[in-house]
Amino acid sequence: GAVVSQHPSWVICKSGTSVKIECRSLDFQATTMFWYRQFPKQSLMLMATSNEGSKATYEQGVEKDKFLINHASLTLSTLTVTSAHPEDSSFYICSAPRDIYEQYFGPGTRLTVT
Amino acid sequence: GESVGLHLPTLSVQEGDNSIINCAYSNSASDYFIWYKQESGKGPQFIIDIRSNMDKRQGQRVTVLLNKTVKHLSLQIAATQPGDSAVYFCAESKTYKYIFGTGTRLKVLA
Repeated sequence: GAVVSQHPSWVICKSGTSVKIECRSLDFQATTMFWYRQFPKQSLMLMATSNEGSKATYEQGVEKDKFLINHASLTLSTLTVTSAHPEDSSFYICSAPRDIYEQYFGPGTRLTVT
Repeated sequence: GESVGLHLPTLSVQEGDNSIINCAYSNSASDYFIWYKQESGKGPQFIIDIRSNMDKRQGQRVTVLLNKTVKHLSLQIAATQPGDSAVYFCAESKTYKYIFGTGTRLKVLA
């Protein structure tokens, strides 16, 4: 089956620094990818839609200047958490649809901001 | 950060019994529904899906029921096993965007 990878799987950074998370579709091209955030004991919350060749679309309440998304190619989307703070500590998950009824999730990236 | 006081509902089931996990979805226009299983520290794992033109779909040991009248989705797991212990999420979709439900933790008792 199709695989979506994320890198890194976990990262610890200091408050005020920026961290980049990569999401790759390994065996199919994805013009659209999605980024989710999941706090402990909570559901996945859609943050933004990453669009290859155009700007990302952010969900209500998500700061676009804080969570920078770049869909660099048809197999790669990156999420950069800028000026990270402890409240940004979370599990970040991406997904990529192969078609409208077939979407694959990455394994997630655990971000801890100290 | 973490929201204080927010906990997933938990369903405890004896090993070998059947489990039923329920989900209410919000958008009557959603036309595709999916159940995912998530183990601690991992991404969601696809279990089964159903399109809005169906009301029941069966997989291996799992069945999904869709009631569009009351916007309700359920996941039935037959002969629940210890490996089924996880958090289960339903998701609804219109086009590619998925909206996830709140989740239910399934605990399988030996």
